[in-house]
Amino acid sequence: AQSVTQLDSQVPVFEEAPVELRCNYSSSVSVYLFWYVQYPNQGLQLLLKYLSGSTLVKGINGFEAEFNKSQTSFHLRKPSVHISDTAEYFCAVSVPRFGNEKLTFGTGTRLTIIP
Amino acid sequence: EAGVTQSPTHLIKTRGQQATLRCSPISGHTSVYWYQQALGLGLQFLLWYDEGEERNRGNFPPRFSGRQFPNYSSELNVNALELEDSALYLCASTLRSGNTIYFGEGSWLTVV
Repeated sequence: AQSVTQLDSQVPVFEEAPVELRCNYSSSVSVYLFWYVQYPNQGLQLLLKYLSGSTLVKGINGFEAEFNKSQTSFHLRKPSVHISDTAEYFCAVSVPRFGNEKLTFGTGTRLTIIP
Repeated sequence: EAGVTQSPTHLIKTRGQQATLRCSPISGHTSVYWYQQALGLGLQFLLWYDEGEERNRGNFPPRFSGRQFPNYSSELNVNALELEDSALYLCASTLRSGNTIYFGEGSWLTVV
């Protein structure tokens, strides 16, 4: 079975500072990795995904993530955050041969931007 | 192009009643997923429908059920509502054999 660990439940960051949200996964087989964002009182929006190829993945709103197979990590980064980035961020993993019904989410990281 | 749409946005029901939530997938998507996001419990997989058939379900009791219609829209039914069923119910869709699922805005169900 796969699992996802988001090490920080809450991350406060000053506006215009860089941020890194950590995600580690566990799986005995190759996986797809995703980051979703949930703004207050809204659904989930796909930020970025890693399926194969380049380990550095760029997403929307200036976010990027790097897949590190040896460390089983997929940390999300942004060089300069804005107030509008305040949201909950979810890391998720799926196993290609089982399809999306096996999409497993982490518990989420609440990013708070301090003006 | 419209995204995944869900209705109603909010629903308040009394314990023991039944709730029905509806979802329309992105045009061209044939697979629909339902997730429950309850406070403190994270995102839990509920059901997966593809081509009108239930393909898989998560660890939820049988009073959680649903169906998918010929136009690929779906509804989720929750019978004999319990207070613990209060949650945000998220619908998502994907292309058949697609590798990425796209979520709707969710339906808030409150059981009182």
